[in-house]
Amino acid sequence: AQSVTQLDSQVPVFEEAPVELRCNYSSSVSVYLFWYVQYPNQGLQLLLKYLSGSTLVESINGFEAEFNKSQTSFHLRKPSVHISDTAEYFCAVSGLNAGNMLTFGGGTRLMVKP
Amino acid sequence: DVKVTQSSRYLVKRTGEKVFLECVQDMDHENMFWYRQDPGLGLRLIYFSYDVKMKEKGDIPEGYSVSREKKERFSLILESASTNQTSMYLCASSFGDISYEQYFGPGTRLTVT
Repeated sequence: AQSVTQLDSQVPVFEEAPVELRCNYSSSVSVYLFWYVQYPNQGLQLLLKYLSGSTLVESINGFEAEFNKSQTSFHLRKPSVHISDTAEYFCAVSGLNAGNMLTFGGGTRLMVKP
Repeated sequence: DVKVTQSSRYLVKRTGEKVFLECVQDMDHENMFWYRQDPGLGLRLIYFSYDVKMKEKGDIPEGYSVSREKKERFSLILESASTNQTSMYLCASSFGDISYEQYFGPGTRLTVT
């Protein structure tokens, strides 16, 4: 079984400041890792994913996440946030033997202030 | 664009009523999922289906059932709604392999009074 912990339920930040959303997971097997974003009144959208290869993965809108196996973490970072990044962010994990099942963290609400 | 639609955005039902939530996807995806989303708990998997007429229990199946008679449609049924089932319900679909992303519908906010 897998579990995901998102350490911060809310992260307030000023526009153009850097941000890090933390995600730690536990699993007894190798994993795939995902970040999903939920904008207000919408469903979730995939932001980025780690399946294999380079441990640093990037999204098209400037976010990046690094898979750290020794620390069992997959933190999400952006060097300069915009108002439009205000949303809830979910980290998710799937074990390689878990079929198509994802386990989600509790979510982090990113609030970007002008 | 992949589209996952859910029958209602908002629904209010009374305790004891039978509730049907419908989900339709238009991309011929094999897998479909029902989650409930609660503040601080993230998304929790209720049921999923990897083929027509096939279903698997997720983490919190108690009080729910599902039906998948056609590939594009996945229904969630609350046999006798209770107040603790007040929540946001999200449907998702994906291709067969986990490396493909899950596509989510906009959600149905269900209130049971």
